Amino acid sequence: AQSVTQPDIHITVSEGASLELRCNYSYGATPYLFWYVQSPGQGLQLLLKYFSGDTLVQGIKGFEAEFKRSQSSFNLRKPSVHWSDAAEYFCAVALGINYGQNFVFGPGTRLSVLP
Amino acid sequence: DSGVTQTPKHLITATGQRVTLRCSPRSGDLSVYWYQQSLDQGLQFLIQYYNGEERAKGNILERFSAQQFPDLHSELNLSSLELGDSALYFCASSPAAGGDSHTEAFFGQGTRLTVV
Repeated sequence: AQSVTQPDIHITVSEGASLELRCNYSYGATPYLFWYVQSPGQGLQLLLKYFSGDTLVQGIKGFEAEFKRSQSSFNLRKPSVHWSDAAEYFCAVALGINYGQNFVFGPGTRLSVLP
Repeated sequence: DSGVTQTPKHLITATGQRVTLRCSPRSGDLSVYWYQQSLDQGLQFLIQYYNGEERAKGNILERFSAQQFPDLHSELNLSSLELGDSALYFCASSPAAGGDSHTEAFFGQGTRLTVV
């Protein structure tokens, strides 16, 4: 079955530490890939996206993600986490025209940041 | 600010009632998507409209319906409400409909529906 998985439900890191959030997808072809962040009581904000080309993509707020086709992964990274990064992070894929371009989201990873 | 506006922000209603959630997409965006976010189901795609026509359907209940109007705003109608329909309902918009013209979706802040 087609799916998006985020193996880590909750991650806690100390402020200033590095961060990696994992995302794996299961689709027949390479989908379009996204990371969104949701702060408490807020909507989803796009951090970065991958459509094609360079597999290392840079996003806002100092985030980057690397697409690895061989591993069907699109992990999100940040070298130094700030307290304001505490939020829920969603990996998403968008399917092609036959699927009406709807977005399928992973279950989310909640990030807590220790001072 | 994503440019996507959802109203109302909060809604409390009783079981069995009907409500309408409204979404105004970003200026120029032709696609509107509706999502339901609940604790147990996560973010579930409900339905997509593109330029007034239904484009894709996800896990949308028969009690729910949506439409997109000529001015491109969209409404999600939820009827015969049950306690389990309590959730955050997001609207998103994007310029395109699919294929090579794909772009990201921009999300509104959601409507929190509480059914009591």
